[in-house]
Amino acid sequence: DAKTTQPPSMDCAEGRAANLPCNHSTISGNEYVYWYRQIHSQGPQYIIHGLKNNETNEMASLIITEDRKSSTLILPHATLRDTAVYYCIVRLGTGTASKLTFGTGTRLQVTL
Amino acid sequence: DVKVTQSSRYLVKRTGEKVFLECVQDMDHENMFWYRQDPGLGLRLIYFSYDVKMKEKGDIPEGYSVSREKKERFSLILESASTNQTSMYLCASSFPESSYNEQFFGPGTRLTVL
Repeated sequence: DAKTTQPPSMDCAEGRAANLPCNHSTISGNEYVYWYRQIHSQGPQYIIHGLKNNETNEMASLIITEDRKSSTLILPHATLRDTAVYYCIVRLGTGTASKLTFGTGTRLQVTL
Repeated sequence: DVKVTQSSRYLVKRTGEKVFLECVQDMDHENMFWYRQDPGLGLRLIYFSYDVKMKEKGDIPEGYSVSREKKERFSLILESASTNQTSMYLCASSFPESSYNEQFFGPGTRLTVL
């Protein structure tokens, strides 16, 4: 699975958009980008995933660059409850067991 | 809602003890996983299972074993606990491979080995 690089921490004001970047320059053509988050004292929670098109769900949007070497997770209106560690993971979507390789992620602090 | 439950939130054991961590999921998922999480190291996969009685080593299996006798239950066993196994242990489950892969995690067990 391709390795990812994320900033260790970010701050965001409540109500503003939080844009979390992720570099995955060695991604291969059949690897997906997944985002999970982990709120303090809880297990990780799935947010969104994508292959090459931008994706949106009720939690977030995922923007993947055309060359697929980087992506951005967007929380459109961050709240205090979005304070968490966000993990960007790149892995094969099919054909192998569902291993997820978590890095150290980005610690997002949402403030008043 | 998918529920993944773990037997304990906090556990304190002594060096050399045999430790069982239990995980149960209620969504009929074929795949189950055990991770450990340590500061600065992220989550690391210990073992996973894609079917009853099937298991495969993850990235750090040394010092651990697992048991999957029933589809809904996946146990992590520390045969002889050591202080370097003090960690947060997370269980997860998912459906088999498809283009969509979401793992559901339990709340975690914080194990301290004295």
